[in-house]
Amino acid sequence: EAAVTQSPRSKVAVTGGKVTLSCHQTNNHDYMYWYRQDTGHGLRLIHYSYVADSTEKGDIPDGYKASRPSQENFSLILELASLSQTAVYFCASSSGNSDYTFGSGTRLLVI
Amino acid sequence: GDSVTQMQGQVTLSEDDFLFINCTYSTTWYPTLFWYVQYPGEGPQLLLKVTTANNKGISRGFEATYDKGTTSFHLQKASVQESDSAVYYCVLGAPSNTNKVVFGTGTRLQVLP
Repeated sequence: EAAVTQSPRSKVAVTGGKVTLSCHQTNNHDYMYWYRQDTGHGLRLIHYSYVADSTEKGDIPDGYKASRPSQENFSLILELASLSQTAVYFCASSSGNSDYTFGSGTRLLVI
Repeated sequence: GDSVTQMQGQVTLSEDDFLFINCTYSTTWYPTLFWYVQYPGEGPQLLLKVTTANNKGISRGFEATYDKGTTSFHLQKASVQESDSAVYYCVLGAPSNTNKVVFGTGTRLQVLP
């Protein structure tokens, strides 16, 4: 069954540390996305990619980097984690028809 | 730019009640509209989509239509169950060259037994 798998499911990070969130899809989709979810803000787009080795900025890219080394894998990198980056992060993939498949999320707590 | 507005942040119903939630959208092109549902502890998942104004999308007992004249899109269900408790997102589809959809802020539905 086609799927989007995120790792880790949860993480506690120290302020100023580096955090890498990983996403792997088996849908053979070209498009991949990283969103963050905060109470009261719904889903906000951080970075996305429509082809391997290329990433694009979303609506809230500051403080985040993204990497798409292959069609299947898309990572979100927090070089210097901050308290304000505590949130739930979702990865999604799409074939380009606006039907998104989401992962189960990564709950990140920065202390 | 394109936008979606969901005014109902929270809706509380009892089992077997009728559900009606609504959103409005703004775009310069002819949209495809979606409802996504997010259950606790999970990622959002596609509930249904509507590609043409005044046509009906149907899935799992839910129905949706959108009105191009009033730029409104609604979701309804005749009789909700406790298992329908979730957050429902109205989503504006994207032009094919960007595939960046626009999410509403979500409506949290709580169904009491």
